[in-house]
Amino acid sequence: IAGITQAPTSQILAAGRRMTLRCTQDMRHNAMYWYRQDLGLGLRLIHYSNTAGTTGKGEVPDGYSVSRANTDDFPLTLASAVPSQTSVYFCASSDVQDTGELFFGEGSRLTVL
Amino acid sequence: GQNIDQPTEMTATEGAIVQINCTYQTSGFNGLFWYQQHAGEAPTFLSYNVLDGLEEKGRFSSFLSRSKGYSYLLLKELQMKDSASYLCAVRDSNYQLIWGAGTKLIIKP
Repeated sequence: IAGITQAPTSQILAAGRRMTLRCTQDMRHNAMYWYRQDLGLGLRLIHYSNTAGTTGKGEVPDGYSVSRANTDDFPLTLASAVPSQTSVYFCASSDVQDTGELFFGEGSRLTVL
Repeated sequence: GQNIDQPTEMTATEGAIVQINCTYQTSGFNGLFWYQQHAGEAPTFLSYNVLDGLEEKGRFSSFLSRSKGYSYLLLKELQMKDSASYLCAVRDSNYQLIWGAGTKLIIKP
């Protein structure tokens, strides 16, 4: 079944540790996104990529980095995790040639202690 | 600044109709989306409006007025499975999505 796969689905992490959240899509979408979702707040864009080889900063990029070596993969790295990065992280992709509807992965719940 | 407003929570009865409103102030407008998100799950696409008027899709309809910066999602013949959060999002002039905090809809029997 085509879609987006995120890993891990859940992780508890000690502050100061490095963590990479993986995201893979098989829909050949050009655009990919990383969001975080916190209670009472809307989805907030961390980083995005409009096409392989390019990335851009979203609303809350500090403490996070991304890479887009190919169309399918868009990993998100926390270089040195802090408790404020405790959140649910969603990866998404879209075909910008269409309406731009986003397709989301199932989410990665990250707890930083 | 850019802002999307929607009610935090609404309650409705199974079989009834509910309207969830969304007002927005954004830098430009390139479409408005509604997504459904069940607890603990990912958001899923419901509707897209770019022109004024009503878009109907089964039990769900979405309305847009660009001049008023206003949209609503109308859910008819409510079912228990419609209990979820409903997210309004506007695509701005830079083609970035601005998200509302979501409306939690509680359906009672």
